[in-house]
Amino acid sequence: GNSVTQMEGPVTLSEEAFLTINCTYTATGYPSLFWYVQYPGEGLQLLLKATKADDKGSNKGFEATYRKETTSFHLEKGSVQVSDSAVYFCALSGLNSGGYQKVTFGIGTKLQVIP
Amino acid sequence: SQTIHQWPATLVQPVGSPLSLECTVEGTSNPNLYWYRQAAGRGLQLLFYSVGIGQISSEVPQNLSASRPQDRQFILSSKKLLLSDSGFYLCAWSDGGGTREQFFGPGTRLTVL
Repeated sequence: GNSVTQMEGPVTLSEEAFLTINCTYTATGYPSLFWYVQYPGEGLQLLLKATKADDKGSNKGFEATYRKETTSFHLEKGSVQVSDSAVYFCALSGLNSGGYQKVTFGIGTKLQVIP
Repeated sequence: SQTIHQWPATLVQPVGSPLSLECTVEGTSNPNLYWYRQAAGRGLQLLFYSVGIGQISSEVPQNLSASRPQDRQFILSSKKLLLSDSGFYLCAWSDGGGTREQFFGPGTRLTVL
């Protein structure tokens, strides 16, 4: 079946540091890939997505590139802010054996940015 | 634009009591609907999904059930809560036509004492 692997964290960075959160996946076919962000006490928000190989998703200074050759979708940001502190989920969307769209989530990586 | 509502936002219930959490979606029709549970410090677990009225699929055996009485309404229920049912419950919807991303509600924090 489909699976997503990401570092659990927590990741602690100083403000303005460079961020990388690794994500690798296993899937059949051609899944879409996503990063979601969850701020404390809230639901998940879609941060960015990529639907085919070599696509780059970007939003709010974050970006991730769909690498089919390495089955990866690493999240990066050049300069983090305290307001970026949250839990980040990597996810993929593909069809299951029943023919419906299923999203598989990673375990989530907690990011803490300190001033 | 589409919006998704969940209520209540927080709930504290004794062991053995019933549960009913409600989720409604506005601004779309015939969505796929999902219930997830997020235990403290853990990832998301898909509990139920629905592709239409009255059509419910369960991902894992458990103490909970789900119903979809209307196109844009999804209800999570239990007859008798267990301590292990505590967690953060998230409802989500996706376009049944296949745009693939899921959109999440604000969640319900359930504490079973």
